[in-house]
Amino acid sequence: KAGVTQTPRYLIKTRGQQVTLSCSPISGHRSVSWYQQTPGQGLQFLFEYFSETQRNKGNFPGRFSGRQFSNSRSEMNVSTLELGDSALYLCASSLEGGVWKTEAFFGQGTRLTVV
Amino acid sequence: AQTVTQSQPEMSVQEAETVTLSCTYDTSESDYYLFWYKQPPSRQMILVIRQEAYKQQNATENRFSVNFQKAAKSFSLKISDSQLGDAAMYFCAYRSYTGANSKLTFGKGITLSVRP
Repeated sequence: KAGVTQTPRYLIKTRGQQVTLSCSPISGHRSVSWYQQTPGQGLQFLFEYFSETQRNKGNFPGRFSGRQFSNSRSEMNVSTLELGDSALYLCASSLEGGVWKTEAFFGQGTRLTVV
Repeated sequence: AQTVTQSQPEMSVQEAETVTLSCTYDTSESDYYLFWYKQPPSRQMILVIRQEAYKQQNATENRFSVNFQKAAKSFSLKISDSQLGDAAMYFCAYRSYTGANSKLTFGKGITLSVRP
């Protein structure tokens, strides 16, 4: 069974550009969550999608957005990139978001560098 | 809002010895879940162990066990018979029980090194 797949693994962008990251959850999983990991702030929750609807959102500016498709694949978009957006972006999928027995499985992340 | 604190940024342990990683949290909820995740250099977060707050019995998974003190809001991870492959960053995480909420709140993490 394939795990959570994030593409691309590495990305270098220039300030002011926008970027789209992709996450393919484990087959059958309907919940996808995104996290930003930086050395200074640690792991911070961005948002969660469940059945194509954003169910939870963290404290990030509106430049960070996401969506989920009918096949549960999710994308997150960051517009007008800033140097501080450089981070590892992790995606996690689970079978049923909010059900306590469901474990969150993480992808290997996308390392975004903004120059 | 819930917070998770891991006050030790780094720890080191001799191979085959036992090490305990500390974690404290703050919440006003009575039901919740606590987790320890491992992040090796490959960056993939791997679930090590899970504890449901309503369970008084401490969770164990092979060489990994927790000491869950609900009143003290403490959740430490004990690794027995440490192996070189245990070297990684370890994160303590909290998740609410109620509502449709998959959000995990993480601590800052602790880097564990294992000396051969």
